[in-house]
Amino acid sequence: EIVLTQSPGTLSLSPGERATLSCRASQSVSSNYLGWYQQKPGQAPRLLISGASGRVTGIPDRFTGSGSGTDFTLTISRLEPEDFAVYYCQQYGNLAWTFGQGTKVEIK
Amino acid sequence: EVHLLESGGGLEQPGESLSLSCAASGFRFSSYAMSWVRQAPGKGLEWVSIISGNGDTTYYPDSVKGRFTISRDNFNNMLYLQMNSLRAEDTAIYYCAKLSGLVVGAYFDYWGQGILVTVSS
Repeated sequence: EIVLTQSPGTLSLSPGERATLSCRASQSVSSNYLGWYQQKPGQAPRLLISGASGRVTGIPDRFTGSGSGTDFTLTISRLEPEDFAVYYCQQYGNLAWTFGQGTKVEIK
Repeated sequence: EVHLLESGGGLEQPGESLSLSCAASGFRFSSYAMSWVRQAPGKGLEWVSIISGNGDTTYYPDSVKGRFTISRDNFNNMLYLQMNSLRAEDTAIYYCAKLSGLVVGAYFDYWGQGILVTVSS
């Protein structure tokens, strides 16, 4: 099973700042089958990025996914008030679906 | 518009059984794999089952294998999860989630609002 480790656990930033979230896999993620989800309190997760860098329709372009192999990054270029949430990475290769433990982006 | 609505949650005692349902609409149900994903209170996400579009193939993590059974009714656009031998650690919000395509290389692109399952004596 591929284990995904997200860092940092919590990111304290101000609106307008840049957020950089990391997701490291214990082994290479096949075909870059890596997604990013946003979850706000009391809500279901929402898909932001698929295939490591493919922004889902309707997701603002301030969200950018990058990386390959074992190291992946989600960057939020300028934080808007609605971006403060928990973010999960998830791999979906090898007929196993695993999530990282999440990074909370909180208002500083 | 894709819509997923879970039902059937509630409180159950350890060792007992519970069944969840998910009504799907807004897409060609039989063309997509479907799944259940859970989230324990204050914790992260864990997939608990996946079923192929035609229902022939299912996948489970070790944590629920042998206790949970996923199934689907493509005529009525329904997804189900039968949970047996429940444990306290099964307490979670259970989400019905649509996969982006067939099983291989598919991610969770739409989610229901979730339903709470509590296992406690």
